[in-house]
Amino acid sequence: LAKTTQPISMDSYEGQEVNITCSHNNIATNDYITWYQQFPSQGPRFIIQGYKTKVTNEVASLFIPADRKSSTLSLPRVSLSDTAVYYCLVGTFRGANNLFFGTGTRLTVIP
Amino acid sequence: NAGVTQTPKFQVLKTGQSMTLQCAQDMNHNSMYWYRQDPGMGLRLIYYSASEGTTDKGEVPNGYNVSRLNKREFSLRLESAAPSQTSVYFCASSERTGVLAGGFFEQYFGPGTRLTVT
Repeated sequence: LAKTTQPISMDSYEGQEVNITCSHNNIATNDYITWYQQFPSQGPRFIIQGYKTKVTNEVASLFIPADRKSSTLSLPRVSLSDTAVYYCLVGTFRGANNLFFGTGTRLTVIP
Repeated sequence: NAGVTQTPKFQVLKTGQSMTLQCAQDMNHNSMYWYRQDPGMGLRLIYYSASEGTTDKGEVPNGYNVSRLNKREFSLRLESAAPSQTSVYFCASSERTGVLAGGFFEQYFGPGTRLTVT
């Protein structure tokens, strides 16, 4: 089971690019890296997923180095509405215990 | 499309009481999940159902039972509530479990049920 380590919290000003790094030293060959976002009083929402190199969608980019022991979620030009908790998940979901949400990173965007 | 719905939104129980949390999805998903989230913590998987007719334990199944009533509905039952079960409970669904070429199947979460056991 590949557990993850993320910063507990981060602050950023509006309009800045935010990078949240996740460490997953025990990542297995078949593991994917997935990021979810959770607003207060809501369930998590899928943001992005990747296996290696770089993945980009309309919301974020995910950078994964060659050794895959870490990954970085990049949010371009954040706004106040990006204030949320961001979770990094690593696993293959072969079994229930392979999907693990850690404590996440609480991002606060400041005006 | 309502997505994933959960009832009730809030509930207060006394120790020893029982209750069932209801979850339904209208996305024709095969897989459904129950998580709990304690204050300031991440989500922990209680049970999941890979497909209609099957259920499996997650990380923290003790004190809970589940029923996959049909493809749409997945309920979570607390037979004898304890204060340690005070939490927010989230139901989620996905097209299926496992991995496709692009990774995990995305999970869609409901709004949660806030449960307090006194």
